[in-house]
Order: sequence, then C-alpha cells, then structure tokens
Amino acid sequence: DTAVSQTPKYLVTQMGNDKSIKCEQNLGHDTMYWYKQDSKKFLKIMFSYNNKELIINETVPNRFSPKSPDKAHLNLHINSLELGDSAVYFCASSQSGDTAQETQYFGPGTRLLVL
Amino acid sequence: AQSVTQLGSHVSVSEGALVLLRCNYSSSVPPYLFWYVQYPNQGLQLLLKYTTGATLVKGINGFEAEFKKSETSFHLTKPSAHMSDAAEYFCAVSARHSTLTFGKGTMLLVSP
Repeated sequence: DTAVSQTPKYLVTQMGNDKSIKCEQNLGHDTMYWYKQDSKKFLKIMFSYNNKELIINETVPNRFSPKSPDKAHLNLHINSLELGDSAVYFCASSQSGDTAQETQYFGPGTRLLVL
Repeated sequence: AQSVTQLGSHVSVSEGALVLLRCNYSSSVPPYLFWYVQYPNQGLQLLLKYTTGATLVKGINGFEAEFKKSETSFHLTKPSAHMSDAAEYFCAVSARHSTLTFGKGTMLLVSP
C-alpha cells in the first residue's frame, strides 16, 4: 500500500501549457505539502494545507494554485508553464501539522520537464 | 529564521568504512533536526530526528546522529558503509511555528 502517491510520475509539456499534478495520502494525516526540488536537488516548500485549508503559501508565482478537495488529496495546478518550472515536485503529509517535530512522509515525486 | 549547511555536496567512502555526513544549522529558537534520505528516483524517507531529550539519536539502517548545541551541529554517522547506503542525504531543521528547511543535500557514494 502506497502511503503518499502522486500522478503522473513524469510530465513533459510545452511552454505555455496548463498542467495538474495529483497527490493522495492514505495515512489519515491532516496536513499535506507541496515541495519543489530544483536541478541542484535543493528542496523548498511551496504550500501547506491543514484539513483542506491553506496554511503556508511561500513566495510562489500566482500561476501555481493548490487545491484540496478533501484532507486526503492535494492537487497542484500550474498555468502558463515556463522553462524554469522544470523540476521534481514532491507531495508530503504529516499527522497534524501542529508541531514542527512531526515526520513528513513524501511521495515518489513528479518529474516535470517544460520544453 | 533558520538555515542548514551541509558540508560537501559529495562524500565518497569504501564499503565497510565509516560514514560521516556533516550538518550545521542556524536557528534563533530551539531547533528540531532531521536527516532524510533520498534513493534514486524516489521520495524522501526519514532516517532519524532530534526533538528533545537524548542528544544521540539512533535511526534506521544503522545510522545515528548527535545534536551538539555548542557546535550547532547534527552530523550523521554510520560505522560501516554498505553499497545500499549510496543515496542523497538531506539535513533539515524546523522549530516551533516554522516550516521545515532543508540543506542542499550530500550525495554519498560507496565503492566496493
């Protein structure tokens, strides 16, 4: 059983297109996250949702819009894709998000390549 | 504000040798410290973490790390490297009311 799953695993698209990445967790966690890992492997948080409510929104272009239909799902929609959006996007979850001590559980990543 | 510095983007060891991956942190409040491992084409997996209490923390796969407040360090060690330890290792810091901040990672290469 996969704890945190993401689809698709790979995404190759043209500049200017709109695309979505889906994430689901079956751990019963209340908090979910999106991270971006650039070509130098640097990992940075983008968004965090707790029980479907946005709680962290780092400095990310407005072209990125997260949506949480329920607490088990957190999707990421990207409008007008740019070359610089090419990266690996990781979804993660943690039990409550109330405490910074919690372990985060990561999905396998979505490798996005914008041509 | 908090930050993490991992010394060495690549560390090479021979199988059976000691593994030492260095991590220094900066935090204005008491930190929580983590080591995550990323195997090729996979997500991150927690190796170990320090929150409070004992400063020597043992994790999975024989790894351990020691929180040294005076040195602001949280170095990761393993007495004897296996080929299967080859991966990217990330040190991360968080604190009360803050998000998880990752270092830039250290690639561990293990040769036979």
